[in-house]
Amino acid sequence: GAVVSQHPSWVICKSGTSVKIECRSLDFQATTMFWYRQFPKQSLMLMATSNEGSKATYEQGVEKDKFLINHASLTLSTLTVTSAHPEDSSFYICSAPSLILSYEQYFGPGTRLTVT
Amino acid sequence: AQSVAQPEDQVNVAEGNPLTVKCTYSVSGNPYLFWYVQYPNRGLQFLLKYITGDNLVKGSYGFEAEFNKSQTSFHLKKPSALVSDSALYFCAVRDIDTGFQKLVFGTGTRLLVSP
Repeated sequence: GAVVSQHPSWVICKSGTSVKIECRSLDFQATTMFWYRQFPKQSLMLMATSNEGSKATYEQGVEKDKFLINHASLTLSTLTVTSAHPEDSSFYICSAPSLILSYEQYFGPGTRLTVT
Repeated sequence: AQSVAQPEDQVNVAEGNPLTVKCTYSVSGNPYLFWYVQYPNRGLQFLLKYITGDNLVKGSYGFEAEFNKSQTSFHLKKPSALVSDSALYFCAVRDIDTGFQKLVFGTGTRLLVSP
């Protein structure tokens, strides 16, 4: 089946620095990818929709300038957390919809971000 | 707006016993419903979906779900639980209000299967 990878799987950074998380569709092309944030013991919160060749669409309440999304190619989307703060510590998950059945999504394994 | 509710934060069951994880939905139009499982520090894995057809849907790892239109429910079931089934389970519905590709997730139910 379709595989979505994320890199890194976990990252620790200092407050004020920026960190980039990559999401790749390994065996299929994805014109759209989704970025979610998950707090401990909570559900997934959709942050933004990444669109290849155009600007990302952010959900209400998500800071565009803090969470920069770039859909560089049909297989790669990146999420950059800028000027990270401890409250940005979370589990970030990306997903990509199937090209055949758009209502099906393939999820990456997630990236654990810890900001110290 | 489309939504799903998972009324139980946690479900405890002994290994070998049947399990049920509950989900109710609220949608306009025909529902596209999904169940996903998440193991610690991992992404979501697809279990099964209901689009149309038989109300009893069979999925991965021996799981099945029953779509009940009159009760607006889509409960996840398994006849005999395994310790390895212990994980976080999410019910989801396609969000047709904002785009066919978006999913709206429930709050998740932690399943704990004891030996």
